[in-house]
Amino acid sequence: DSGVTQTPKHLITATGQRVTLRCSPRSGDLSVYWYQQSLDQGLQFLIQYYNGEERAKGNILERFSAQQFPDLHSELNLSSLELGDSALYFCASSPQWAGGPEQFFGPGTRLTVL
Amino acid sequence: GDSVTQMEGPVTLSEEAFLTINCTYTATGYPSLFWYVQYPGEGLQLLLKATKADDKGSNKGFEATYRKETTSFHLEKGSVQVSDSAVYFCALSDNDMRFGAGTRLTVKP
Repeated sequence: DSGVTQTPKHLITATGQRVTLRCSPRSGDLSVYWYQQSLDQGLQFLIQYYNGEERAKGNILERFSAQQFPDLHSELNLSSLELGDSALYFCASSPQWAGGPEQFFGPGTRLTVL
Repeated sequence: GDSVTQMEGPVTLSEEAFLTINCTYTATGYPSLFWYVQYPGEGLQLLLKATKADDKGSNKGFEATYRKETTSFHLEKGSVQVSDSAVYFCALSDNDMRFGAGTRLTVKP
C-alpha cells in the first residue's frame, strides 16, 4: 500500500459527459501528479500540483483540468468525454517540488467511456 | 529534453531464465534513475532506484547499475519466477519525472 488513495476505482460513463476523479496523497506529500495510461500510448504525464499551485503541465487536453485543495487532495476533471478518453488514470505523490525522490502511485481509476 | 528509451516488449521467458530489460536515457543534468513495476490490475510500485553514477539499486533479486558512460540503467534478474510477470517501467527524475514506454514481461512455468 503506497498510502495514495484514489476514488472511484471504476467509472463508466457516456460520451459528452463530465467526471471528477479524486486523489489523496500520502501524508506529508505536497506534490500530486496525474497520469493517463492507455493501451496504445503508455504512461502519459498530465499535470503536477505542488502545495496547491500548478507546477508542470504535460500532455493534458483542454477538456481536462485539475486542482489541488488546501488539504492537499486533488481532483482531475474530465469533460466532453470521448471514447478515446477511456483509460486508467493514476495519481502519484511525492514530498518535494521536483527532482530526486521517487513518486508513490495510487491504485488508479479505470474510466470507460461508452 | 530529458527522455528514457527502454526495450520494447513483450518479453516472454521460462521460469528460472535470466532477465535483462534495457534502458537508456538522455539528460542534461544528473538525474536519479528508477525502475517501477506494475502488476496486473495495480498501480506502479517502485522496484529500485539509483541516485548517482555507479550506484547499484537492488530489490527482490532485481538489480540495475547507473552507468553514466553509457547512459544506461539496465534491469537484470538471474532467475525469474512466474510471479515476476508484470510491466516494467524505467524512469528518470531531474526537474521532472520521465517514464519509458514500459516492457511487458510474461514468465511461463
